[in-house]
Amino acid sequence: DIQMTQSPSTLSASVGDRVTITCRASQSISSWLAWYQQKPGKAPKLLIYKASSLESGVPSRFSGSGSGTEFTLTISSLQPDDFATYYCLQYNTYWTFGQGTKVEF
Amino acid sequence: EVQLVETGGGLIQPGGSLRLSCAASGFTISNNYMNWVRQTPGKGLEWVSVIYSGGGTYYADSVEGRFTISRDTSKNTLHLQMNSLRAEDTAVYFCARGRSNYFDYWGQGTLVTVSS
Repeated sequence: DIQMTQSPSTLSASVGDRVTITCRASQSISSWLAWYQQKPGKAPKLLIYKASSLESGVPSRFSGSGSGTEFTLTISSLQPDDFATYYCLQYNTYWTFGQGTKVEF
Repeated sequence: EVQLVETGGGLIQPGGSLRLSCAASGFTISNNYMNWVRQTPGKGLEWVSVIYSGGGTYYADSVEGRFTISRDTSKNTLHLQMNSLRAEDTAVYFCARGRSNYFDYWGQGTLVTVSS
């Protein structure tokens, strides 16, 4: 099974900050990685797919990079609506999620 | 507009059975692959099962032999039959539509609590 290790688990930030979240795969997954945002009591929302492709309607301050085993989600300038928990998902072999990163004030 | 609405969750005793449903609108489920994903505070998000457009099904090891995914194309509804439920199956269960092997749309989830 492919394991996904996400870091940090919690991130304290302020509006306007540049935020970076990392996801590492236990083996190469090429670019088969997606990023999701989840707010309490809500379903996950797709932000990025294929490591760096921005989902339609998602603000351009979100970006993704990486390939192989190391991936990054970057929020260029954190907005009040961005305080949430973020998850990575590998879909190279079945599906495995990272443990999540809570972005808090 | 794509919408997914899960129903059927509730409190069930260990060893019991429950059937979840996911009513889809805005697209045809048989043209897509559909998934169940669950979420717990302790284990986070865990993929549970998939049904492909051709009808093939796969399951996570943790539910293999106990859960069955199916679909009713006449009602555009996805189901998850859960038998021999255990405490560790307690979770919020989401249905999610597959697109190019990742999940694009999710329902709001339904809570399953397995407890005596």
